[in-house]
Amino acid sequence: SQQGEEDPQALSIQEGENATMNCSYKTSINNLQWYRQNSGRGLVHLILIRSNEREKHSGRLRVTLDTSKKSSSLLITASRAADTASYFCATGNQAGTALIFGKGTTLSVSS
Amino acid sequence: ETGVTQSPTHLIKTRGQQVTLRCSSQSGHNTVSWYQQALGQGPQFIFQYYREEENGRGNFPPRFSGLQFPNYSSELNVNALELDDSALYLCASSLRQAQETQYFGPGTRLLVL
Repeated sequence: SQQGEEDPQALSIQEGENATMNCSYKTSINNLQWYRQNSGRGLVHLILIRSNEREKHSGRLRVTLDTSKKSSSLLITASRAADTASYFCATGNQAGTALIFGKGTTLSVSS
Repeated sequence: ETGVTQSPTHLIKTRGQQVTLRCSSQSGHNTVSWYQQALGQGPQFIFQYYREEENGRGNFPPRFSGLQFPNYSSELNVNALELDDSALYLCASSLRQAQETQYFGPGTRLLVL
């Protein structure tokens, strides 16, 4: 079953614009992670935010977490064509043995 | 630091056959997890191995089995292949269980005809 659900499913923007993706989840979490996947290849870890954190930055990435609403957002500022990829949020299962992913947001950045 | 590698990169099998996929974990990592990703979907957890023992399993039938070796590399075996087994199979390694960052390999794309 899906724990995280990303929104929107697809997003198309121009280079230089900002891209915002949202993730909702169902149960309590220890942390939430965001991953990127280029063209059906392996996933690359972007950022991990712990349940006691509200915001975290990494380069052009900004992640927020609202545990009361069970939601997170990923903001990519000043998008580049190289940011074109699918983005997934992931949380841990109850047993702590698996990451549970949503269906992802497909981001297309055109130049 | 050596990253996660998987072999083969692509594979074509027919229904009923058996397949073995291989994964070498990142140096120093003792936990390996396997995921199945169907087209247009997010990865689905198959199982996890920690120090050569299965440490958790997702909603996959017993014909999906695995091994982890003393050097922490791992195999995923699928028996009696079905058409729906066509997917990208991802291996991920980590220092501890899934609550922490996982490092993914490039995947093996399996097509079952």
